[in-house]
Amino acid sequence: QSVLIQPPSASGTPGQRVTISCSGSSSNIGGNPVNWYQQLPGTAPKLLIYSSNQRPSGVPDRFSGSKSGTSASLAISGLQSEDEADYYCATWDDRLNGWMFGGGTKLTVL
Amino acid sequence: EVQLVESGGGLVKPGGSLRLSCAASGFSFSSYTMNWVRQAPGMGLEWVASISSSSSYVYSADSVKGRFTISRDNAKKSLYLQMNSLRGEDTAVYYCAREGNCGTTSCLEPGDFFDYWGQGTLVTVSS
Repeated sequence: QSVLIQPPSASGTPGQRVTISCSGSSSNIGGNPVNWYQQLPGTAPKLLIYSSNQRPSGVPDRFSGSKSGTSASLAISGLQSEDEADYYCATWDDRLNGWMFGGGTKLTVL
Repeated sequence: EVQLVESGGGLVKPGGSLRLSCAASGFSFSSYTMNWVRQAPGMGLEWVASISSSSSYVYSADSVKGRFTISRDNAKKSLYLQMNSLRGEDTAVYYCAREGNCGTTSCLEPGDFFDYWGQGTLVTVSS
């Protein structure tokens, strides 16, 4: 059981807006920024959002992140077929003294 | 171009040892904290260990503490993971990842993140 809780799956049709949640506690999300990673099938993870709401260069502005209290969200607008991937939230946990990943959310584009 | 290339994976028997390497290029290796992250077949990501730029700080997950040791050689621009007393549950693809940082001048919520990842190396623990 992961310290950070994500829904195992999410889906949407092309053009739709989808959100993926990540729930934690005061020792992790409550006190530290959240990062999001995208893992396309058969590839290494890729940084998608850092410091809760920042996009690395090259990441489309269709992807956005937010955080409130002990929860964070990843939003994908204008859903495209190439967005079909696994998405992971991650943050440092001050109590466990280590990086924690969510269990991952498999996004399906219908 | 930042590149991280892992090597050293393979098949090992339970109780055995293996040493993974990660060769870095395209950036100032000695300036960055580095990490190992693993992914068991069909499962999610699990952080394994971190080592600061000068090796002053080392952190590891409880699941590998006392069995795995992270180290680095800045002159060789290489990261290592010595894995001892291997178990079946250690079977995974092991990724090395660079830890970037966004400071207070650039981010409302400053912090670290894994900005570059290698392609991974598969470790299989089985008799």
